Amino acid sequence: KNEVEQSPQNLTAQEGEFITINCSYSVGISALHWLQQHPGGGIVSLFMLSSGKKKHGRLIATINIQEKHSSLHITASHPRDSAVYICAVLNFNKFYFGSGTKLNVKP
Amino acid sequence: DGGITQSPKYLFRKEGQNVTLSCEQNLNHDAMYWYRQDPGQGLRLIYYSQIVNDFQKGDIAEGYSVSREKKESFPLTVTSAQKNPTAFYLCASSREGGRTGELFFGEGSRLTVL
Repeated sequence: KNEVEQSPQNLTAQEGEFITINCSYSVGISALHWLQQHPGGGIVSLFMLSSGKKKHGRLIATINIQEKHSSLHITASHPRDSAVYICAVLNFNKFYFGSGTKLNVKP
Repeated sequence: DGGITQSPKYLFRKEGQNVTLSCEQNLNHDAMYWYRQDPGQGLRLIYYSQIVNDFQKGDIAEGYSVSREKKESFPLTVTSAQKNPTAFYLCASSREGGRTGELFFGEGSRLTVL
């Protein structure tokens, strides 16, 4: 069983739709990161959360420590949001990664 | 601009050859990591280093070796002992082990064994 589970694995949306990607984890947590990987392969960090909610532009990330669950929301999605989104949980000195959600936003 | 530089971006290797992937960061981060990414799987930890001259094996260290002689540099050698080395390799770094800030990644190196 994976320590970090993401859903859905694949997601297709029309431009403008509201998108939610979910992450559930089973390990203890020091912090949780949401990452974005573009087709070229490079990864950028979108958010680092240890509690509550963070917002950056059209992106919102929430975490519920008691339920061991985090969500990444994209409002007014755009084709440039098409990428793989990865949830990463930091447990002491080690990161555990979900297998990613591949998002395709169609114009 | 600060960041992580990985090279080469693409690398082809014949079976039985060792290859070294470079990772350099100018972020003054103490912690550095090497991950392997295969299609449909999450990133898997090969090696990590919290300080200079010290590193620990990750989950899939067999067939790989690293060094951390300088804070900025964490090269990964894929040895001939690695049975299935074709993969995408990512180097990352973080301040204070990722607890207080972002986790930075390089652009990755794609290794193909011919």
